[in-house]
Amino acid sequence: SAVISQKPSRDICQRGTSLTIQCQVDSQVTMMFWYRQQPGQSLTLIATANQGSEATYESGFVIDKFPISRPNLTFSTLTVSNMSPEDSSIYLCSTGLAGGPDNEQFFGPGTRLTVL
Amino acid sequence: GENVEQHPSTLSVQEGDSAVIKCTYSDSASNYFPWYKQELGKRPQLIIDIRSNVGEKKDQRIAVTLNKTAKHFSLHITETQPEDSAVYFCAEGVPAAGNKLTFGGGTRVLVKP
Repeated sequence: SAVISQKPSRDICQRGTSLTIQCQVDSQVTMMFWYRQQPGQSLTLIATANQGSEATYESGFVIDKFPISRPNLTFSTLTVSNMSPEDSSIYLCSTGLAGGPDNEQFFGPGTRLTVL
Repeated sequence: GENVEQHPSTLSVQEGDSAVIKCTYSDSASNYFPWYKQELGKRPQLIIDIRSNVGEKKDQRIAVTLNKTAKHFSLHITETQPEDSAVYFCAEGVPAAGNKLTFGGGTRVLVKP
């Protein structure tokens, strides 16, 4: 599996501000995804980060609120914009290995965000 | 859209007993079914997965079964140990649709010594 790191690991932010979360993978991967895990809840896919094109967002998530960049095959960022306390969650990136039968997804350590 | 139902939401077992978690899904195009274990404060870890061309897969004390006709799959943990205590998530994916995963609601498993 790939080694995945995220920065920051946690942050406390004021409402109305924005936070950019970075996800770095130690090898080139085809697919990168961003998930949200609200306290005590399951994982919800925010978007698929596409290299060289705009991210693909799931229902209920929009680019203005969660802009995503994917400049190359090892790196992606997720920005949580104009934050409110409801955005307090753990944000996780994950990668899907390139092609073939091995479609496993592996998760980064997560970024724990608290919005005051 | 895709929907994954997971039961039970909590499960308490005595050490040494078996634990079974069941998931049902709705998308007939789904063909990839992973299970993740998440310990408190840690990332979800892939523990086992199964693809639609297989009915059962086993790895030491854990096994997964899949019934595509009935659209359900299950995780079986035998000889449970205290370190098996965690939240377990099932998921389903359609690799042809970009490897997106839809997760079940999770099962909090407590193994009592």
